[in-house]
Amino acid sequence: EPEVTQTPSHQVTQMGQEVILRCVPISNHLYFYWYRQILGQKVEFLVSFYNNEISEKSEIFDDQFSVERPDGSNFTLKIRSTKLEDSAMYFCASSAGRASRVAEAFFGQGTRLTVV
Amino acid sequence: GQQLNQSPQSMFIQEGEDVSMNCTSSSIFNTWLWYKQDPGEGPVLLIALYKAGELTSNGRLTAQFGITRKDSFLNISASIPSDVGIYFCAGRGSTASKLTFGTGTRLQVTL
Repeated sequence: EPEVTQTPSHQVTQMGQEVILRCVPISNHLYFYWYRQILGQKVEFLVSFYNNEISEKSEIFDDQFSVERPDGSNFTLKIRSTKLEDSAMYFCASSAGRASRVAEAFFGQGTRLTVV
Repeated sequence: GQQLNQSPQSMFIQEGEDVSMNCTSSSIFNTWLWYKQDPGEGPVLLIALYKAGELTSNGRLTAQFGITRKDSFLNISASIPSDVGIYFCAGRGSTASKLTFGTGTRLQVTL
């Protein structure tokens, strides 16, 4: 069964450092997303991406964050200068479309980011 | 912003019991989804609802899209130990592709 894969599974970084989280969405999907989940809290939307550009972003997704689809398979989230409060699980998701039944998002296993 | 509140926050039940949880919103959604999350894993889609009033089943799971489009419930019948986890509702509005997640219901099943 096709799945969204994320690497690494766990990343520890020092405050102020740049991190890149990587995702390989399901191959025939066109819409890509990043969500995050602070430990013990709900899942929060960060950004959606379609046709090589951001289609929607939340207030959390400030200038420190960026996304990119560098080739035909990878989708990355970059945090330029990490802060302690960026520590969270980051989930990548993808969907085939936006209308009703094809818009269902399938999530990866997540990357646990720990900023020290 | 949109808020989705789930209740109960947590539940402790015995194996074989039925479970009911619900989700209420401050605003209307056009799609309701229910996800299950195991520790250290990503959310896994259980059921999707697309029309107000719709009742959909997936095995022992049944979910309904509320008539007002501001609520949804999930029922699990004859619970088993592997039902343990956190259940999240999620809503999607008319134009946005993003999902707004609920606060989660943690389910514990005892033998």
